[in-house]
Amino acid sequence: EADIYQTPRYLVIGTGKKITLECSQTMGHDKMYWYQQDPGMELHLIHYSYGVNSTEKGDLSSESTVSRIRTEHFPLTLESARPSHTSQYLCASSGGAPRYGYTFGSGTRLTVV
Amino acid sequence: GNSVTQMEGPVTLSEEAFLTINCTYTATGYPSLFWYVQYPGEGLQLLLKATKADDKGSNKGFEATYRKETTSFHLEKGSVQVSDSAVYFCALRLEGSARQLTFGSGTQLTVLP
Repeated sequence: EADIYQTPRYLVIGTGKKITLECSQTMGHDKMYWYQQDPGMELHLIHYSYGVNSTEKGDLSSESTVSRIRTEHFPLTLESARPSHTSQYLCASSGGAPRYGYTFGSGTRLTVV
Repeated sequence: GNSVTQMEGPVTLSEEAFLTINCTYTATGYPSLFWYVQYPGEGLQLLLKATKADDKGSNKGFEATYRKETTSFHLEKGSVQVSDSAVYFCALRLEGSARQLTFGSGTQLTVLP
């Protein structure tokens, strides 16, 4: 079944640790996105990619980085986690025309203590 | 620029009440329009969509009609259930770039038994 997977679902980690949030999709989509969702629910685009070896920063400045070495994989890395990074991170992908919308993963809830 | 304005929440209704969540948009061009739903602890799921003026999207008893003359895409349901409690996001998508999906700020709906 085609889908998009995020791991871990929940992560509690100490300040200063390096973390990688995983996102993989099996739909062959060329476009992938990372959103940060604040407690007020609003979604902020932090990174996107429209293909292998292509990454761009989104509307919200973020200290995280991303890579796109394979079509299906779009991991997000924080080199040194801080409490201000505590948030919900959502990965999404899309392919083809705008009328198809995005497919979202279930999200990673990150807490930095 | 492109933007989506949603009715502010939270919205609290009794079971079997009628639901309307207002959504208006500003776009340069002719967007596709979407409603996404986010249940507690989950990612976003596509609820319904419409790709051109006067189209009506529908799913799970929810409906929304693409009104070009009023640039609106209001979400309606005739009789809500407790299980409809979630956050609802209106969104638009245009051609032309990887960052195509623009979200509204989300509306929290709580349905009481």
